[in-house]
Amino acid sequence: SQQGEEDPQALSIQEGENATMNCSYKTSINNLQWYRQNSGRGLVHLILIRSNEREKHSGRLRVTLDTSKKSSSLLITASRAADTASYFCATSYNTDKLIFGTGTRLQVFP
Amino acid sequence: DVKVTQSSRYLVKRTGEKVFLECVQDMDHENMFWYRQDPGLGLRLIYFSYDVKMKEKGDIPEGYSVSREKKERFSLILESASTNQTSMYLCASRGFSGANVLTFGAGSRLTVL
Repeated sequence: SQQGEEDPQALSIQEGENATMNCSYKTSINNLQWYRQNSGRGLVHLILIRSNEREKHSGRLRVTLDTSKKSSSLLITASRAADTASYFCATSYNTDKLIFGTGTRLQVFP
Repeated sequence: DVKVTQSSRYLVKRTGEKVFLECVQDMDHENMFWYRQDPGLGLRLIYFSYDVKMKEKGDIPEGYSVSREKKERFSLILESASTNQTSMYLCASRGFSGANVLTFGAGSRLTVL
């Protein structure tokens, strides 16, 4: 399978703490994206990092990409209860299709 | 604000029924996609379409068909619903921005009894 895999599967933290999620993939990619899904809803695009980039920031989000290890991490700083959601990485290979991972469920307690 | 709208949020159907899931986007996007999402399996691509009247099989097309008669509308059809098609169905669209970013609808949760 070309599917990305997120780690951990579930993460529980207190408000104000940082949350780190990891994604591993199997083959060379064009880019890697992170999406967020609130319970029972569709996915929302958060951030995209291209294969020639190593780090990218967007507000409280920081994404890193290590192509030598075929892995990426998503850091959410100063988490809020509203960050409670599932987070998915998605990789783009030589086709136009996106391959999604199985997700990390983040619970942020007030 | 750009939108992908899935007409039915929740559906309950019986085995053997024909099911239509409708998806409409207002962004003039060329590409549209249907995924299904199941616990532990993530999102799996069923079908996608690059343009009107065009369709391509994804990773799990069996038991499904699609229709794209107009640019803004992409329909997923279950010819004879089965219990193993109980799932969350997500529609998405993508324009030619070069970044391969998808805009998703809110999802349609289908239960087949």
